[in-house]
Amino acid sequence: QVQLVQSGAEVKKPGASVKVSCKASGYTFTSYHLQWVRQAPGQRPEWMGWINTGSGYTKYSQNFQGRVTITRDTSASTAYMELSSLRSEDTAVYYCARELGTAVDAFDIWGQGTMVTVSS
Amino acid sequence: DIVMTQSPDSVAVSLGERATINCKSSRSILYSSNNKNYLAWYQQKPGQPPKLLIYWASTRQSGVPDRFSGSGSGTDFTLTISSLQAEDVAVYFCQQYYRTPYTFGQGTKLEIK
Repeated sequence: QVQLVQSGAEVKKPGASVKVSCKASGYTFTSYHLQWVRQAPGQRPEWMGWINTGSGYTKYSQNFQGRVTITRDTSASTAYMELSSLRSEDTAVYYCARELGTAVDAFDIWGQGTMVTVSS
Repeated sequence: DIVMTQSPDSVAVSLGERATINCKSSRSILYSSNNKNYLAWYQQKPGQPPKLLIYWASTRQSGVPDRFSGSGSGTDFTLTISSLQAEDVAVYFCQQYYRTPYTFGQGTKLEIK
């Protein structure tokens, strides 16, 4: 079945970086863009950016001030999200999600989420 | 950024009754060239990722029960659950995908009265 499986929970110190992986299966990886969304405890989801898994083209939210980088490895059907210069406010569950289809950036398949805790 | 505002923040409805959740965008998310509203609705239960219910403001995602429906256009949208079931207890979010950064409403918590 179609699924996205993410890497495990991370605990990082302020100023460090974290890299979360998202492995796709059950469909052609390069046929759908992948999005990254985070959700702090009790808060609304926050969109971070997306990657065209075919071309590698990326688009990011300016709200992260250049701290986020999304990449992919097509041979492994895996996308990655790296967030740098971590601060306590970055503590959240990070999700990858697949777009529903071309020009329909509603997200129909989600990873299970990766908890990232930033604490000194 | 397009700001999405939901109302109410929480609501309690009796089993079998109708539940209504509203979502307002800070600018129109109706794309004139295709006459589509770039709005989705999600359901989220504790410890789970959001689940897509509705896209294009009123198109039900495959497998979603027909008691869920979406309506509205431009800046004002509504999610309706026609007959509340116990398994519908969750937080509901709207999301605009008209323009990046894609943004979500603050959520509406739906409970049983």
